[in-house]
Amino acid sequence: TQLLEQSPQFLSIQEGENLTVYCNSSSVFSSLQWYRQEPGEGPVLLVTVVTGGEVKKLKRLTFQFGDARKDSSLHITAAQPGDTGLYLCAGEWNYGQNFVFGPGTRLSVLP
Amino acid sequence: GAGVSQSPSNKVTEKGKDVELRCDPISGHTALYWYRQSLGQGLEFLIYFQGNSAPDKSGLPSDRFSAERTGGSVSTLTIQRTQQEDSAVYLCASSPRDIDGYTFGSGTRLTVV
Repeated sequence: TQLLEQSPQFLSIQEGENLTVYCNSSSVFSSLQWYRQEPGEGPVLLVTVVTGGEVKKLKRLTFQFGDARKDSSLHITAAQPGDTGLYLCAGEWNYGQNFVFGPGTRLSVLP
Repeated sequence: GAGVSQSPSNKVTEKGKDVELRCDPISGHTALYWYRQSLGQGLEFLIYFQGNSAPDKSGLPSDRFSAERTGGSVSTLTIQRTQQEDSAVYLCASSPRDIDGYTFGSGTRLTVV
């Protein structure tokens, strides 16, 4: 069974601070996705990364895929209360199979 | 429709009863997935439908769980003889192809009492 680990499990910061959360596996991903989930809602896709070393930016969010395609990071600049939520990474090890989700990082941004 | 629709949004059932959860995917999406999320946890894969292919049932936790997808569109997840450990949010997602990002519904919160 391929497992995804995410760290930290919980993170509470003040508005305006920067933060980075991590996702890693012992196996090589064919692709990896990041989602954000708010209470009472389903996860919402933020980004998909496929190429090792790839960096994608979405406003204040920067996603990086490791060169070896075994890990990824999500960096948020100048966090805002609206960034609060559960951040999930999901990895696919073989194309065409279902994505396996990590346990998530629960982020709380305090005003 | 504009998004993935799940019904009911909440379901409370007595232990031992059967329940059916419904998912209406985005029109034209060929891939449909069911996941389960326990309180404060990540998502646990249950079952995956892709077009007319045989579904991947490898995530179903027991033979009390089954799912169908009729006409390549609507899907129903059935849990027979519910147990308290079945309490969770059941999430459905669809995607245009199996390598695209998922669009999730808001889930069905199942409580077995």
